[in-house]
Amino acid sequence: GNSVTQMEGPVTLSEEAFLTINCTYTATGYPSLFWYVQYPGEGLQLLLKATKADDKGSNKGFEATYRKETTSFHLEKGSVQVSDSAVYFCALSDMNTNAGKSTFGDGTTLTVKP
Amino acid sequence: DTEVTQTPKHLVMGMTNKKSLKCEQHMGHRAMYWYKQKAKKPPELMFVYSYEKLSINESVPSRFSPECPNSSLLNLHLHALQPEDSALYLCASSQDASSSYNSPLHFGNGTRLTVT
Repeated sequence: GNSVTQMEGPVTLSEEAFLTINCTYTATGYPSLFWYVQYPGEGLQLLLKATKADDKGSNKGFEATYRKETTSFHLEKGSVQVSDSAVYFCALSDMNTNAGKSTFGDGTTLTVKP
Repeated sequence: DTEVTQTPKHLVMGMTNKKSLKCEQHMGHRAMYWYKQKAKKPPELMFVYSYEKLSINESVPSRFSPECPNSSLLNLHLHALQPEDSALYLCASSQDASSSYNSPLHFGNGTRLTVT
C-alpha cells in the first residue's frame, strides 16, 4: 500500500532561518505529491504540488522537488517568518488506488520565533 | 477566504442528540469528502461522494450518515454519538474523484464537534 513518512516535529526556528521538512513516500504507481498547510483554527490548504518526477512545486517562497530516485518530496524555504508557524502535511494521491483516497503523513508542527 | 464553507463552526451535543453538519462549495467540483481530524493528527477519510453518489465509506459507524442533496452541498447527520467522536470534521472538494490523483483537495475550515 501507499505510505508517507514525514520528519518528526515539532520544529522550532528563529525568523529568517532556513527550513527543511523531510518527506519520503512509498507508492505502487506514479503518485502525485502535495504539501498542505494547516494554520491554527483552520482547515488544510494546498501549499504546492508536483505531478511527475523532477517537477518542482513552489508557492509563497516554499519549494519541493519530486525525486523519484529517492522517493522524496522535501519542503524547503530559504527564510521563514513568524506567519509560517503552522502544521505541514505531506500527501500523495495515486491513480492506481481507489479514486478519491489521499495518503497523508503525520504532519510536522513548525513554530517560528521572532 | 476558503471556497468551501462549513457550518456550524462549533457544535456541542449530547449523546442522545441529533444534529447535522453542512458543507457548501461553488467551484463546480464533482467530488466531495468528509474527513475527521483529531488533535495533532492527519485527517482521516470518512466518506467520498463522486457525482452525488457515495463512492467510498471507510467503514464509518452508522451513527454518522452522509447525504449529498446536490453537487454543491454535502451534509453529515449525527445521531447517538460518543465522546470519542469529538474532533474537527473537515469537508473537502476536488474536481472529481477519478482525477483526484493530480487534483488537489480544497478544504473548509471545519466544524469543531464536542460530544458531552
